[in-house]
Amino acid sequence: DAMVIQNPRYQVTQFGKPVTLSCSQTLNHNVMYWYQQKSSQAPKLLFHYYDKDFNNEADTPDNFQSRRPNTSFCFLDIRSPGLGDAAMYLCATTGYGFYNEQFFGPGTRLTVL
Amino acid sequence: GENVEQHPSTLSVQEGDSAVIKCTYSDSASNYFPWYKQELGKRPQLIIDIRSNVGEKKDQRIAVTLNKTAKHFSLHITETQPEDSAVYFCALGSQGNLIFGKGTKLSVKP
Repeated sequence: DAMVIQNPRYQVTQFGKPVTLSCSQTLNHNVMYWYQQKSSQAPKLLFHYYDKDFNNEADTPDNFQSRRPNTSFCFLDIRSPGLGDAAMYLCATTGYGFYNEQFFGPGTRLTVL
Repeated sequence: GENVEQHPSTLSVQEGDSAVIKCTYSDSASNYFPWYKQELGKRPQLIIDIRSNVGEKKDQRIAVTLNKTAKHFSLHITETQPEDSAVYFCALGSQGNLIFGKGTKLSVKP
């Protein structure tokens, strides 16, 4: 009964080597979010999709891009990962109205060597 | 931008005691206030939420209170158990997104 699935769970990449993280959901939610969470910190919103409408946070680096080809899938592309991009990346979804529970995926732990 | 202040950053209690975590905010337009629990290495999970038309909400050992005039909301955990040990985040619904507090690491000692 997995609801928000993230792949891979662990990703190791080299400095500067592009990486793609994926998120899928079975909830048919129209809103999908990507968060970055570093150790001992709160999740930090990178961007979100309201249906196909993309909303980028003002302080999200250009190095981070996202794609949402359909309702179920959303991807996070890191074009040139730096050491500072090592973190847990969390995908979350919510239904219409925003002020409802956000369901989080298990996260992808990214290591940059 | 909108900010949520969460206190304390760490909290240690004895099993069976109560724990209280408080968050303050400044955006008077906010009307959704969830609390998330995150165990080490796991995803954040909603434990309770409250909307601005309600002053208090309770679910077994967990309760949340909201004071919109003073712009603060609090999480209360009674009869704490070791499995309550985790990081707790308050959040604020603002313009369709959640703004998280910095978290409180709760340790419940047997």
